[in-house]
Amino acid sequence: DIQMTQSPSPLSASIGDRVTITCRASQSVSSYLNWYQQKPGKAPRLLIYSASSLQSGVPSRFSGSGSGTDFTLTISSLQPEDFATYYCQQSYSSLRTFGQGTKVEIK
Amino acid sequence: QVQLQESGPGLVKPSQTLSLTCIVSGGSISSGAYYWSWIRQHPGKGLEWIGYIYYTGTTYYNPSLESRVTISMDTSKNQFSLRLTSVSAADTAVYYCVRSPRIAAAETGPYHFDYWGQGALVTVSS
Repeated sequence: DIQMTQSPSPLSASIGDRVTITCRASQSVSSYLNWYQQKPGKAPRLLIYSASSLQSGVPSRFSGSGSGTDFTLTISSLQPEDFATYYCQQSYSSLRTFGQGTKVEIK
Repeated sequence: QVQLQESGPGLVKPSQTLSLTCIVSGGSISSGAYYWSWIRQHPGKGLEWIGYIYYTGTTYYNPSLESRVTISMDTSKNQFSLRLTSVSAADTAVYYCVRSPRIAAAETGPYHFDYWGQGALVTVSS
């Protein structure tokens, strides 16, 4: 299995901050890396696919980068509705796996 | 706008079989344009992909669950289902049904999960 490790966890930030979440794969996943946002009691929401492609309807303050084993999700200016848990997910291997999640908390 | 809705018992006894159905509206599950998956989330924990089915009948299961899992589809009802046998407390989780667009020409499985059901909490307890 490809293990996905996210950092930091949790992450404390303030409104307006630039926030970066890191995801590291235990082996190369090329650009087959996706990011999701989950709020309490809700299903996850796709934000970024193929490492850097913004899903339709997702605000442009979200961006993704990276390839191989190291990836980042960046929120350029944190908004109140962005406090949530974020997951990365790889689709390189037959067994799709997720990171453990990064909770973005209010500082 | 596609919508997915899970249905099934919220309480299952240990050693019995968990059965959930996902009703899809706003699109056909037999179009060939999508893969259909089940993903679960243990209380307060991360996400675990259970497996998928494609309209051709092709399935793939998480090896950790493969001996107990069956995913099937009923195109006449536009729904797909999850069956998990011999459940224990470790199977208590929120179960999501999920759609993935087919990206590659070859049947290589889902790449990203773009539409999710609201989730169904299944508790395994006597």
